[in-house]
Amino acid sequence: AQTVTQSQPEMSVQEAETVTLSCTYDTSESDYYLFWYKQPPSRQMILVIRQEAYKQQNATENRFSVNFQKAAKSFSLKISDSQLGDAAMYFCAYSPHSGAGSYQLTFGKGTKLSVIP
Amino acid sequence: DSGVTQTPKHLITATGQRVTLRCSPRSGDLSVYWYQQSLDQGLQFLIQYYNGEERAKGNILERFSAQQFPDLHSELNLSSLELGDSALYFCASSPGGFPYNEQFFGPGTRLTVL
Repeated sequence: AQTVTQSQPEMSVQEAETVTLSCTYDTSESDYYLFWYKQPPSRQMILVIRQEAYKQQNATENRFSVNFQKAAKSFSLKISDSQLGDAAMYFCAYSPHSGAGSYQLTFGKGTKLSVIP
Repeated sequence: DSGVTQTPKHLITATGQRVTLRCSPRSGDLSVYWYQQSLDQGLQFLIQYYNGEERAKGNILERFSAQQFPDLHSELNLSSLELGDSALYFCASSPGGFPYNEQFFGPGTRLTVL
């Protein structure tokens, strides 16, 4: 079974600074998807960024970028120019690349990010 | 707003009771996923339906069941409720099929079992 580990239960960052959230995963598959989801206090789950394992290029979305190390099974999220609205719980997630059309997500335990004004 | 609706928003009930949570996917989405978020277990996948048929099953208890109706809305039925079933239950929808399509999450149903 796949597992996703987030070793940092809580982190904080100064507004406008950069922070990196860590994630490792375990899988025997060679093709899969990785995600970072954001859950603000409203509890809404919001997709931040997605990475396909077969793509060597790291995904970026505006101020959010990832460092995907497939051999090390590591998938970290970098948030640049942190804003107060970035304060949330961040979940790393894994999905199989399923020819059967099932892409269920396996989540890590989450990292609570605080942004200090 | 993701376009996915879930009702009710909050549900308070007693141990041993049965409840039904409802999910309406985004227009055109064929696939519905159910997830449970609890303090003990974190976020975990329960079950997926695609166009009315069960597609994948995760850590879903035998006391729980789900279905997807012809109009594509889905219901998650929880019976013989226990205190540990208190959690936030999310549904997510996607167009489904292959290749991967983003899952859009609903706002969740907060279930409290007393």
